[in-house]
Amino acid sequence: EAGVVQSPRYKIIEKKQPVAFWCNPISGHNTLYWYRQNLGQGPELLIRYENEEAVDDSQLPKDRFSAERLKGVDSTLKIQPAELGDSAVYLCASSFDFYEQYFGPGTRLTVT
Amino acid sequence: KNEVEQSPQNLTAQEGEFITINCSYSVGISALHWLQQHPGGGIVSLFMLSSGKKKHGRLIATINIQEKHSSLHITASHPRDSAVYICAVIEDSNYQLIWGAGTKLIIKP
Repeated sequence: EAGVVQSPRYKIIEKKQPVAFWCNPISGHNTLYWYRQNLGQGPELLIRYENEEAVDDSQLPKDRFSAERLKGVDSTLKIQPAELGDSAVYLCASSFDFYEQYFGPGTRLTVT
Repeated sequence: KNEVEQSPQNLTAQEGEFITINCSYSVGISALHWLQQHPGGGIVSLFMLSSGKKKHGRLIATINIQEKHSSLHITASHPRDSAVYICAVIEDSNYQLIWGAGTKLIIKP
């Protein structure tokens, strides 16, 4: 069975440019999470979806970040415009309800 | 005070040694994760447990709900076990995943 798929794996952009990350969760997992992990720190939850509904987006910087999970399967996280401080690894995870979370490989974003 | 505390922060050991990483938490939980992250790599879930003990290969995880404490043990450690090991708890009031700071483990050949 395929795990959580994320793309791209690496992205380098200049500040003020837009960027988008894509995540396809494990089949059957209704809960999807986006995390941001800064170097040397633990992941920080940005948004959690149950099916297509964002049930926790309290940590998502809504002025520049947006996310969608239109059909309750794959999801896109967008940053527009990117800032230098957005350089981090963006992790997607999925689970069935609130059970064990499975993580994707992450997208390493570098903003120059 | 952090809600999830791990010890030690860093651990260097020789190949073959028995490794123990500890995790204490202060909130009510529905379950606890042990996760592994290699440098530059993604996060892999090792265990999720809510009681007792789980074993997978050379890895053993235990949890004591009354004492709010969990341990991850690695038997016959190997250099490929070198990674950051993270304890994370699922808070039972809101199902948020609260992360520990991680333990950086280096196993020398």
